[in-house]
Amino acid sequence: SQELEQSPQSLIVQEGKNLTINCTSSKTLYGLYWYKQKYGEGLIFLMMLQKGGEEKSHEKITAKLDEKKQQSSLHITASQPSHAGIYLCGADGAGSYQLTFGKGTKLSVIP
Amino acid sequence: NAGVTQTPKFQVLKTGQSMTLQCAQDMNHEYMSWYRQDPGMGLRLIHYSVGAGITDQGEVPNGYNVSRSTTEDFPLRLLSAAPSQTSVYFCASRDTTGWYEQYFGPGTRLTVT
Repeated sequence: SQELEQSPQSLIVQEGKNLTINCTSSKTLYGLYWYKQKYGEGLIFLMMLQKGGEEKSHEKITAKLDEKKQQSSLHITASQPSHAGIYLCGADGAGSYQLTFGKGTKLSVIP
Repeated sequence: NAGVTQTPKFQVLKTGQSMTLQCAQDMNHEYMSWYRQDPGMGLRLIHYSVGAGITDQGEVPNGYNVSRSTTEDFPLRLLSAAPSQTSVYFCASRDTTGWYEQYFGPGTRLTVT
């Protein structure tokens, strides 16, 4: 079965600083999804990456997919308190609609 | 569109009790699934369904039962609640006409004493 490892597990940054979260898969990545979860709430979809080398941005968040490394990275520029939460990566299985998730990265942003 | 809805939002059960967590979606998605989320464990798949009348087990199915009689509804039944089932449960649905994101419900926080 596919496993996704996220690093770091937790991160504390000062407001205005940049940060990167990584998601590495044990198997070939077909589709990679990033979600954000506010504490005690549901999951909010951020971005989907499907092709090697693909890069997407939304506001100050950029996600990239490195097919060869079986890895995706999520980069936040000039972090704000509103970026705080748990970031989860999820991946499609081969020909399957089941999403496997990493254990999440807890981000705290200090004003 | 209401999206994916779940009821109840909170529930406390005693060991041995049974209950059903409700999940509904109004997006006509064929694929629906249930996850549980525990601290440090991420989201783990319990059961999933690729259409009405079709269900299958995920990673952690023991102690749970599902059925899918309609496209819209996908209830999760706890047969005899145990403290190990204390968790936050999320229902999700997905459009299978292509490769799209999965939509999640707001979650049900369950405590078993």
